[in-house]
Amino acid sequence: DAKTTQPPSMDCAEGRAANLPCNHSTISGNEYVYWYRQIHSQGPQYIIHGLKNNETNEMASLIITEDRKSSTLILPHATLRDTAVYYCIVRVSVGNEKLTFGTGTRLTIIP
Amino acid sequence: SAVISQKPSRDICQRGTSLTIQCQVDSQVTMMFWYRQQPGQSLTLIATANQGSEATYESGFVIDKFPISRPNLTFSTLTVSNMSPEDSSIYLCSVADSKYTEAFFGQGTRLTVV
Repeated sequence: DAKTTQPPSMDCAEGRAANLPCNHSTISGNEYVYWYRQIHSQGPQYIIHGLKNNETNEMASLIITEDRKSSTLILPHATLRDTAVYYCIVRVSVGNEKLTFGTGTRLTIIP
Repeated sequence: SAVISQKPSRDICQRGTSLTIQCQVDSQVTMMFWYRQQPGQSLTLIATANQGSEATYESGFVIDKFPISRPNLTFSTLTVSNMSPEDSSIYLCSVADSKYTEAFFGQGTRLTVV
């Protein structure tokens, strides 16, 4: 699986959009970009994933650059409950493969 | 989605003893994984639990220290053997299957070794 690079920490004001970047410059054509988050003392929670098109669900939006070497997770209206560590992961197949976690970004939402 | 029940949620154990952690999922899944999360660190994969055969361990993890069972497609156990304070971590069970697009995680077992 390709390696990812994320900033170690970010702050965002409550109610504003939180934009979390991820670099994955060695991503292969068949690798997906996944985002998970881990709220303190809980198991990781799936947020969203994509291959090359931008994706949106009820939690977030995922913007993948045209060359697929980087992506941005967007939380449109951050709340205090979004304070967590966010992990960007790239993996080959959808479904039954193990995940390799990097160090992630610790996002703190400021009241 | 898959719902995972992991037991115990936390425990405090004496050094030299062993603890077995259980992971039960509410549907049959192909893949079950065990991760360790040391204090302040990211998740590290310990092994893949294989149904009906020996688990597949990642580099740095051995069967004698972390024996794993997978008797069927909904259940697995991880044992942390001969514990030392360095084994104090959160241990997490994860499941995946081709019928899902994402992996699911249990809430973890917070282990403290004294």
